[in-house]
Amino acid sequence: DPKIIQKPKYLVAVTGSEKILICEQYLGHNAMYWYRQSAKKPLEFMFSYSYQKLMDNQTASSRFQPQSSKKNHLDLQITALKPDDSATYFCASSQELTDNERLFFGHGTKLSVL
Amino acid sequence: GDQVEQSPSALSLHEGTDSALRCNFTTTMRSVQWFRQNSRGSLISLFYLASGTKENGRLKSAFDSKERRYSTLHIRDAQLEDSGTYFCAAEALNYAQGLTFGLGTRVSVFP
Repeated sequence: DPKIIQKPKYLVAVTGSEKILICEQYLGHNAMYWYRQSAKKPLEFMFSYSYQKLMDNQTASSRFQPQSSKKNHLDLQITALKPDDSATYFCASSQELTDNERLFFGHGTKLSVL
Repeated sequence: GDQVEQSPSALSLHEGTDSALRCNFTTTMRSVQWFRQNSRGSLISLFYLASGTKENGRLKSAFDSKERRYSTLHIRDAQLEDSGTYFCAAEALNYAQGLTFGLGTRVSVFP
């Protein structure tokens, strides 16, 4: 059973719209992250959260807003979508923020913006 | 910014052969991780190294303990299920909250 659940698996959106990517982890971890993988680019760190607090933000655009309503949730809201936002977005978690030895990834949400 | 360079970008292997993937870092790194991404896009952690070498089955990874500027992943006796894209990711000395990933090596193992 997957321990990190990302929904939906595939998402198609029109330019200018808003979408929310869901991530839930059932590993009892305290740190959660978002990464993005665009075509022909390295996997890119976006955000880190620890105990539901934003710890680091490496995303230039404020159109990307993480939301943590519960300890094991870290959703990603994206507003005013652009075609360049098309990518696979991975959620990840670890026991603690600096515990990168045990970093677990979800299966990803593939977003296509038309 | 920090950069992680992976080579080769693609690799075709006969079943049963051995090969090596490499990651070079443009600066000294604290640690390195290797991941494999399967055809469904899932990322699976293979190794985490802060120094030295680790081995798991037919896979072995090493992290240069001296200068901490490169890492290798060896595949021994390649099998079909080893196919996938392998990413290395490094954690900088002064930045413990995220990993910097390379572009990946696409490995194809054929009979």
